[in-house]
Amino acid sequence: DSGVTQTPKHLITATGQRVTLRCSPRSGDLSVYWYQQSLDQGLQFLIQYYNGEERAKGNILERFSAQQFPDLHSELNLSSLELGDSALYFCASSVTLARGNYGYTFGSGTRLTVV
Amino acid sequence: QKEVEQDPGPLSVPEGAIVSLNCTYSNSAFQYFMWYRQYSRKGPELLMYTYSSGNKEDGRFTAQVDKSSKYISLFIRDSQPSDSATYLCAMRRYNTDKLIFGTGTRLQVFP
Repeated sequence: DSGVTQTPKHLITATGQRVTLRCSPRSGDLSVYWYQQSLDQGLQFLIQYYNGEERAKGNILERFSAQQFPDLHSELNLSSLELGDSALYFCASSVTLARGNYGYTFGSGTRLTVV
Repeated sequence: QKEVEQDPGPLSVPEGAIVSLNCTYSNSAFQYFMWYRQYSRKGPELLMYTYSSGNKEDGRFTAQVDKSSKYISLFIRDSQPSDSATYLCAMRRYNTDKLIFGTGTRLQVFP
């Protein structure tokens, strides 16, 4: 167990629907990162939150949004789902890396299938 | 062109072989380099990290960084079937948190 908890593990939904993915970071970590992993694109950075505030944004679609709550857990909301959104969605957490040279700790992911 | 390039494999080797995994990158501002291992249906786990150029060894694993060539490597000695996984390189600039990943190389070690 990495200490980063993601729920649900699997999600099957129809096109046009909206889903929410949840992540609880490792104890003591203030940063949460969301990544999308598909077969042809690898791990793509979506967004980072640090202590409740958005810190960095990557290739996140306008249909996707995220937030980090006061207890530091984070949610990724995906709306108007398309078949191409089917992928593994990973959450990772860390202390701020700028202070050191260690990497993230990843959760086990949510497998989203859009049918 | 992607910032980080990695051969997707698959790479199939016999048990006990020395494995060499590589990534090239284009952004000379990258300072921190990492290797992650990902088993099927699991999240990536950090294997090795290095700062700037040089070598780092941890058991059967050795990470090398050649910043002049923008090339990083991971060597696995005495490879085991349990090493069968996808290996992802990752890197970041100084004073930023965002990691840029390669697409991963799938490794199969057969008995």
